Amino acid sequence: DAGVIQSPRHEVTEMGQEVTLRCKPISGHDYLFWYRQTMMRGLELLIYFNNNVPIDDSGMPEDRFSAKMPNASFSTLKIQPSEPRDSAVYFCASSLGQSYNEQFFGPGTRLTVL
Amino acid sequence: GQSLEQPSEVTAVEGAIVQINCTYQTSGFYGLSWYQQHDGGAPTFLSYNALDGLEETGRFSSFLSRSDSYGYLLLQELQMKDSASYFCAVRFRDDKIIFGKGTRLHILP
Repeated sequence: DAGVIQSPRHEVTEMGQEVTLRCKPISGHDYLFWYRQTMMRGLELLIYFNNNVPIDDSGMPEDRFSAKMPNASFSTLKIQPSEPRDSAVYFCASSLGQSYNEQFFGPGTRLTVL
Repeated sequence: GQSLEQPSEVTAVEGAIVQINCTYQTSGFYGLSWYQQHDGGAPTFLSYNALDGLEETGRFSSFLSRSDSYGYLLLQELQMKDSASYFCAVRFRDDKIIFGKGTRLHILP
């Protein structure tokens, strides 16, 4: 298996622009997680899905952030409009329900908002 | 409230043993996981403790004591490649997961 795939790997954008991050989980995994990592705040869970349904989005910082999972093999995290404080590495992870705690992380998207 | 505490940095010598502690304050606790992350890389799963006691996986072991709200990761026969950040993570009964801020492990030759 190719593992969790994220795109783009790097994104540089200007404040106010829309940013869309993409994730393809490991085939067969039924949980998908979006995390944000910064030096100041560490690794934060933003939202997670089970069988394509959002279960908990309490970690989404503001209404500017939204996430979708239209099918079992694809998810997006969108920031509109983006702000400099959104600069971070965004990770997507997936896991299989029966081994929920073993999450497989993608390589991450390094986002820089100027 | 829910919080995890781990030391920000630990230094050890190649070939030695090091213990990284994690204390938590939470309710509805389900289990404790450990992840490793190299600079510029993604976190990778190391271990999970659902029950009290020691779990061993090769050179790495993880321990949990629910009564003490405490766990640790033990790394033996340290190698230079073990230089990384190590995160503990708590899973709650609603399946939500919170990560600690991470412990950066420095290994000296």
